[in-house]
Amino acid sequence: EDKVVQSPLSLVVHEGDTVTLNCSYEVTNFRSLLWYKQEKKAPTFLFMLTSSGIEKKSGRLSSILDKKELFSILNITATQTGDSAIYLCAVTNAGGTSYGKLTFGQGTILTVHP
Amino acid sequence: NAGVTQTPKFRILKIGQSMTLQCTQDMNHNYMYWYRQDPGMGLKLIYYSVGAGITDKGEVPNGYNVSRSTTEDFPLRLELAAPSQTSVYFCASTRAGGRVFTGELFFGEGSRLTVL
Repeated sequence: EDKVVQSPLSLVVHEGDTVTLNCSYEVTNFRSLLWYKQEKKAPTFLFMLTSSGIEKKSGRLSSILDKKELFSILNITATQTGDSAIYLCAVTNAGGTSYGKLTFGQGTILTVHP
Repeated sequence: NAGVTQTPKFRILKIGQSMTLQCTQDMNHNYMYWYRQDPGMGLKLIYYSVGAGITDKGEVPNGYNVSRSTTEDFPLRLELAAPSQTSVYFCASTRAGGRVFTGELFFGEGSRLTVL
């Protein structure tokens, strides 16, 4: 069974701090790793990573994947109160019709204080 | 654009009752999913579908059923509701073709279900 473990489970920082969120995984026939942000309602897509060592970047957010060690990190620099959210990591596998099946981790709750 | 629409947004059920959560999308997406999210937790996959007429179990399918008779609709049926099914339910969809998968799921706003 595919497994995704995120750490820490929760994190409290002050505006301007840099944070690193971790995601480790076990999946049969790994295809991709995804990061989502969830504020009050539904999750919204941040990044998808499929190749090792390649950094995806969007503004103050960046993510990198290590396929050998089976983990990914999500970095947020110069945090703002609007970054407060649950950050979810998910993996997909490449097996037959299940290659679109996303398995999520339990999420990291990030709180950014002014 | 409506995107992914779920109904109802809130529902209280008594133990043993049954109900259907409706989900419809207008983006012509072939993949659709049902997830549940318990407080402070991530999303757990209940069922998913790769196209009309095809469904498959996720991590936590017990107590639920789905059908996919059209591309647009993917209803989730709860039979004999139990307190353990109290949760927020999210429907999602995406488009994938061949081995191409963007990873971007489009979610509905969620349905909060309480079983008492």
